[in-house]
Amino acid sequence: DGGITQSPKYLFRKEGQNVTLSCEQNLNHDAMYWYRQDPGQGLRLIYYSQIVNDFQKGDIAEGYSVSREKKESFPLTVTSAQKNPTAFYLCASNLGLANEQFFGPGTRLTVL
Amino acid sequence: AQKVTQAQTEISVVEKEDVTLDCVYETRDTTYYLFWYKQPPSGELVFLIRRNSFDEQNEISGRYSWNFQKSTSSFNFTITASQVVDSAVYFCALSGRGGGKLIFGQGTELSVKP
Repeated sequence: DGGITQSPKYLFRKEGQNVTLSCEQNLNHDAMYWYRQDPGQGLRLIYYSQIVNDFQKGDIAEGYSVSREKKESFPLTVTSAQKNPTAFYLCASNLGLANEQFFGPGTRLTVL
Repeated sequence: AQKVTQAQTEISVVEKEDVTLDCVYETRDTTYYLFWYKQPPSGELVFLIRRNSFDEQNEISGRYSWNFQKSTSSFNFTITASQVVDSAVYFCALSGRGGGKLIFGQGTELSVKP
């Protein structure tokens, strides 16, 4: 089955720790995206990548980092510099530009 | 700047009622794309529809219909004969020339009661 997988589903972090969220897709999509969702809010773009080995900052990139070494994978690292990391993180992919994005099931990160 | 506004934060209806979710957008791009997504309690966003800025034809898919009007910058979503399974948060989103990224509205939480 084609789709997007995210792991883990739930993640707990202590303050000061870096954590990495996994996102994998087998849809052969060129573009991948990371969004953050806070309670009662819409999604905000953190980073996106339109091609392997290239990525761009979104609207709220501070305190986050990404890599795109393989077409299928787009991991997101939440660093200790992110002041308020508790949120729901969603990964998405599409064929690029005008096409609809397909989303993974999300990772819920809680900072203890 | 691009912006999407969903003024209705929460809507509650009784099953079999019709309900319309409003979406108003702002963009200076002449070519843009509008989307609706459904987010059930599980959290995963489900794609519902995409419209191009040059195609104002309304669309119907089963109990769902969409009304796109460039003159009022609106892209409204109507569910006919609502069902309990329609209960979810619905997001309207806009994509322009900015590399394919989506600008989301705040979402409308729809509750359909039996």
